[in-house]
Amino acid sequence: GDSVTQMEGPVTLSEEAFLTINCTYTATGYPSLFWYVQYPGEGLQLLLKATKADDKGSNKGFEATYRKETTSFHLEKGSVQVSDSAVYFCALGLGGSEKLVFGKGTKLTVNP
Amino acid sequence: EAQVTQNPRYLITVTGKKLTVTCSQNMNHEYMSWYRQDPGLGLRQIYYSMNVEVTDKGDVPEGYKVSRKEKRNFPLILESPSPNQTSLYFCASSLREGPYEQYFGPGTRLTVT
Repeated sequence: GDSVTQMEGPVTLSEEAFLTINCTYTATGYPSLFWYVQYPGEGLQLLLKATKADDKGSNKGFEATYRKETTSFHLEKGSVQVSDSAVYFCALGLGGSEKLVFGKGTKLTVNP
Repeated sequence: EAQVTQNPRYLITVTGKKLTVTCSQNMNHEYMSWYRQDPGLGLRQIYYSMNVEVTDKGDVPEGYKVSRKEKRNFPLILESPSPNQTSLYFCASSLREGPYEQYFGPGTRLTVT
């Protein structure tokens, strides 16, 4: 079935460090891919998305590129801030369906 | 402001006492969904609704009921809660014919003793 696998956390970084959170997927068809972020005590909110192969989603300094050949959608940021501390979820959605399939989440802590 | 609201935000109850968690959205979205979030398991879909009077089971529907009598509201009902339903619950909504961005509520933390 359709599934998302993302790197297990927690991930702890110092401010201004480079961030990569790996995400790979298995899907029938051609999914859209998403990164959602959950700040402490809040619901999930969309961080970025890509709807087809080779698309790059970007927002707030975060980027992810839809790689069909490696079935991946890794999240990157060049210089993290303390305010980026949150749980990050990779998700896929299949065309014609509203359902999202989520990974288990990766908790990021950024220390000053 | 476009938003999804849930009530209550926190609830402690006892086994077997029926409860309802409300969810409301003001974006005229057709699609609404309930998820539960558990450590190490991520988000799992409980039920979803494509439109008024149209609901269907998600991945973990056992022990839950839903209804969709109005487009904006999608309550989650636990007829006889059990401790294994202790979890963090999220309601979400989106436009249909997606997958579009899903908008999430702030969550309801439920503890069943």
